[in-house]
Amino acid sequence: KAGVTQTPRYLIKTRGQQVTLSCSPISGHRSVSWYQQTPGQGLQFLFEYFSETQRNKGNFPGRFSGRQFSNSRSEMNVSTLELGDSALYLCASSATTNEKLFFGSGTQLSVL
Amino acid sequence: AQSVSQHNHHVILSEAASLELGCNYSYGGTVNLFWYVQYPGQHLQLLLKYFSGDPLVKGIKGFEAEFIKSKFSFNLRKPSVQWSDTAEYFCAVGPFSGGYNKLIFGAGTRLAVHP
Repeated sequence: KAGVTQTPRYLIKTRGQQVTLSCSPISGHRSVSWYQQTPGQGLQFLFEYFSETQRNKGNFPGRFSGRQFSNSRSEMNVSTLELGDSALYLCASSATTNEKLFFGSGTQLSVL
Repeated sequence: AQSVSQHNHHVILSEAASLELGCNYSYGGTVNLFWYVQYPGQHLQLLLKYFSGDPLVKGIKGFEAEFIKSKFSFNLRKPSVQWSDTAEYFCAVGPFSGGYNKLIFGAGTRLAVHP
């Protein structure tokens, strides 16, 4: 069974640009969560989607958004990038909620 | 405020030594507790979890953790570590219900095991 796939693996952007990250969950998993990982703040919850609906959101500005498609694949978008958005963005899927999370390898975003 | 505190940021042990990594949390209500591990070059994976029942839970690779509700703690233990246990360990807490995978993670503990 294929694991959680995140693309691209690395991204370099400049301030003010926007970026879209993609996540394909494990087949059959309907929940996709996104986390931001930085050396200073650690792992922080961004949002969670289930059956195309956002069910929970972390304390991030509105520049961070996401969506989920009918095949459970998810994208997250960050608009008007700031230097502080440089981080590893992790996607995790699970069959249902409050269950074991399966993490992807992440997308390393660098904002210059 | 909701938070997870891991007592040690770096731990260095020799093979066969015993391991205990501390984790304390601050969270209102009934919780689910997790330990995740990230081996070098690999992604985060679940080591063990506590949802309810026996407060002593066993996970993969000989790890176990004990939930002590009165101390808001969920410490990770292993009687005898191996070189292959070298990794970063994260404690996490989430609500028992309705949290929709919103976990609060600790800062992580980097474990280095020397042969």
